[in-house]
Amino acid sequence: QLQLQESGSGLVKPSQTLSLTCAVSGGSISSGGYSWSWIRQPPGKGLEWIGYIYHSGSTYYNPSLKSRVTISVDRSKNQFSLKLSSVTAADTAVYYCASSMTTTLFDYWGQGTLVTVSS
Amino acid sequence: DIQMTQSPSSLSASVGDRVTITCQASQDISNYLNWYQQKPGKAPKLLIYDASNLETGVPSRFSGSGSGTDFTFTISSLQPEDIATYYCQQYDNLLRGYTFGQGTKLEIK
Repeated sequence: QLQLQESGSGLVKPSQTLSLTCAVSGGSISSGGYSWSWIRQPPGKGLEWIGYIYHSGSTYYNPSLKSRVTISVDRSKNQFSLKLSSVTAADTAVYYCASSMTTTLFDYWGQGTLVTVSS
Repeated sequence: DIQMTQSPSSLSASVGDRVTITCQASQDISNYLNWYQQKPGKAPKLLIYDASNLETGVPSRFSGSGSGTDFTFTISSLQPEDIATYYCQQYDNLLRGYTFGQGTKLEIK
């Protein structure tokens, strides 16, 4: 059974870059067919998909965030990462990493990490 | 982009009640529709996948139905532990992206 754990800075200044990492255990991040996603949830609001990286390395992003998002994989550390540039207060949210064995759904989730954008 | 309209946004029901939540897609999504339960402070949990399939370990009081644009999620007999927010989610195979419904907050009356 996969386990995912987010880590990274909990406080980011406006205009700076948010950086988070998701460590994967219980399986290989290079496993065929898997994709690895980032999803966020502003306080008291709903879920927003940010983007995902396929096991092959291909990336797909939410069009509303595409110009600011980069998702990458570090196979040696069995983890994947999110970078979101030029952040504003609207980017304050709990950020989740999640896995998809079949692409169409999210089967395993990290516990989530709160990132606050504030000076 | 495919839009998902989930209703109601909130719902109050009694223990033992039958509860129904609907999700409507702006275009045909076949059966690429999943349902999640999210309890406060926790990550979402997959309950139903591909519109009507019960995820392993999920109680049988949860069910889903529908295809195309109209989908329904049902709890046959509401239990106190079912208090949570429920989300539908679709996958757009053409644009390779995901969209969630707005969520339904379920409370005990």
